Amino acid sequence: KQEVTQIPAALSVPEGENLVLNCSFTDSAIYNLQWFRQDPGKGLTSLLLIQSSQREQTSGRLNASLDKSSGRSTLYIAASQPGDSATYLCAVKNDYKLSFGAGTTVTVRA
Amino acid sequence: EAGVTQFPSHSVIEKGQTVTLRCDPISGHDNLYWYRRVMGKEIKFLLHFVKESKQDESGMPNNRFLAERTGGTYSTLKVQPAELEDSGVYFCASSPRTGTFDEQFFGPGTRLTVL
Repeated sequence: KQEVTQIPAALSVPEGENLVLNCSFTDSAIYNLQWFRQDPGKGLTSLLLIQSSQREQTSGRLNASLDKSSGRSTLYIAASQPGDSATYLCAVKNDYKLSFGAGTTVTVRA
Repeated sequence: EAGVTQFPSHSVIEKGQTVTLRCDPISGHDNLYWYRRVMGKEIKFLLHFVKESKQDESGMPNNRFLAERTGGTYSTLKVQPAELEDSGVYFCASSPRTGTFDEQFFGPGTRLTVL
């Protein structure tokens, strides 16, 4: 059974600081890993998808790395802005289903 | 291209009542998934359709939950009778092919409150 852990559970940083969000998973036989963003009361917005054969993906200020063998992924957000405040979820895919972590709630202070 | 849509966005019902949630996947997506997040817990997988067939319903909590996907287009998830612990956010997702590398696209979710 896949277990996904996200550390820290919450993070508060001043605007401009870089964010580092961690995700670990117990079963390394994954097909891909997705990072999502969820705003309060809203749905899930996909940020980055990393296939199991890839080491990293980048989109604008976001960069996600994947170390499948050690069961870890890290999401980096450069030069954080107040608009980055949200909950960030990591999800790994085994077979056809996604297993989610509990999320990291980020607050960026202006 | 329209994304995954879900209806209603919110539903408040009394314990013992029935509720039906609807999901319209992205057009042409054969794969449809239901997930839910109950208070304080992670988002959990409920079931997976390929076209109109249930491929995996291992995450369905009990027989009060019934999912259908007639014609392989939209899907409904019925809860009957609803219990307090069913409160949460129900998400639907779809993906184009049955390949395991496909990205899943999520809808906005239905927030269900059982009083």
